[in-house]
Amino acid sequence: SQQGEEDPQALSIQEGENATMNCSYKTSINNLQWYRQNSGRGLVHLILIRSNEREKHSGRLRVTLDTSKKSSSLLITASRAADTASYFCATDPDSGGGADGLTFGKGTHLIIQP
Amino acid sequence: NAGVMQNPRHLVRRRGQEARLRCSPMKGHSHVYWYRQLPEEGLKFMVYLQKENIIDESGMPKERFSAEFPKEGPSILRIQQVVRGDSAAYFCASSPTGYFAEAFFGQGTRLTVV
Repeated sequence: SQQGEEDPQALSIQEGENATMNCSYKTSINNLQWYRQNSGRGLVHLILIRSNEREKHSGRLRVTLDTSKKSSSLLITASRAADTASYFCATDPDSGGGADGLTFGKGTHLIIQP
Repeated sequence: NAGVMQNPRHLVRRRGQEARLRCSPMKGHSHVYWYRQLPEEGLKFMVYLQKENIIDESGMPKERFSAEFPKEGPSILRIQQVVRGDSAAYFCASSPTGYFAEAFFGQGTRLTVV
């Protein structure tokens, strides 16, 4: 099942602006991951944030996690045309030692206008 | 539509044994992708197959790993002579058109090598 729900489904901004995407989920998690998928390519792992972390940075990416609200956001600063892609969040559930695997949202399609 | 079905969900193998992971794509999907998730890491692409053809195996380890997607039946990811480092979650995705477009993910198979 696709537990994560990305919001918005599509986002179009001008190059240089910041892009923010949100993800909500339903169950307790060990970690939450963000992925990018360029057209015609496979998923690329961007960043992983653990349930005991609140914020994480990687280059122009900033991810926040609010476990009380069961939500996460991905911020891409100073966007570039090459950032045009679909972005997915995936949750690694806290299943008490079980193995439920990652569940993915449907993605946010980001378009950067030159 | 039952979605992408992977089995088994959990697989335990002793070192040196063979592991076979199965993936039945969604109805109407002829493109299959395998990913591996090592503990506490993100997904990494392994191989992309279309019926009876390997399209891209750039992420497959050079030895012991093979994949097939026969004309009839599920896609199989085969790991020969498993080692502890093969312990991971293996995810399969399928799509109706090529090159990762509109891919849907299965729940994954958790392989544990003891």
